[in-house]
Amino acid sequence: DVKVTQSSRYLVKRTGEKVFLECVQDMDHENMFWYRQDPGLGLRLIYFSYDVKMKEKGDIPEGYSVSREKKERFSLILESASTNQTSMYLCASGRSDGYTFGSGTRLTVV
Amino acid sequence: QQPVQSPQAVILREGEDAVINCSSSKALYSVHWYRQKHGEAPVFLMILLKGGEQKGHDKISASFNEKKQQSSLYLTASQLSYSGTYFCGTVTGGGNKLTFGTGTQLKVEL
Repeated sequence: DVKVTQSSRYLVKRTGEKVFLECVQDMDHENMFWYRQDPGLGLRLIYFSYDVKMKEKGDIPEGYSVSREKKERFSLILESASTNQTSMYLCASGRSDGYTFGSGTRLTVV
Repeated sequence: QQPVQSPQAVILREGEDAVINCSSSKALYSVHWYRQKHGEAPVFLMILLKGGEQKGHDKISASFNEKKQQSSLYLTASQLSYSGTYFCGTVTGGGNKLTFGTGTQLKVEL
């Protein structure tokens, strides 16, 4: 079974802090995604990557950046956390025929 | 742009059928369907590809109408375990960008 591991289940950070969310997959997948999930808004794509060092903006990239230095790891970076970035963050990994999600990181920015 | 799902929510009695629709404003290359149970990560159900056939497993199947840029998910003889939020994800054009709709909450009652 594919494993997609997100480093933290719950995280509380202060406004203005730089925040790193990590996602690791164990199946040598090319494609990795970061989404945020908010009530009533579904899953919104922040960034995705289709190979090492390759990244593309999703629909809501403002305030975020990403890093993919190794194939198995895809990091989401909040450059200066703000309260409107309080959300559930979900990482997904796979090939184009279906993706596996991590269990999510619930980030609260205070 | 997020695909549009309908209905937003549906309540069924066990054994009843349901249809969830997903429509896109852009030409579709593929459609993914996922189910998310409360407090859990979304789980992949199936993918439909442009030019492909209707898919299904057990009592859950889906269709893909390329002309109308729509997909529908059919749940037959619903069971309590079908409860959750269903998301369609679309890939438009080439590439790997997977964009999700806002979800359909389905509840199956006795």
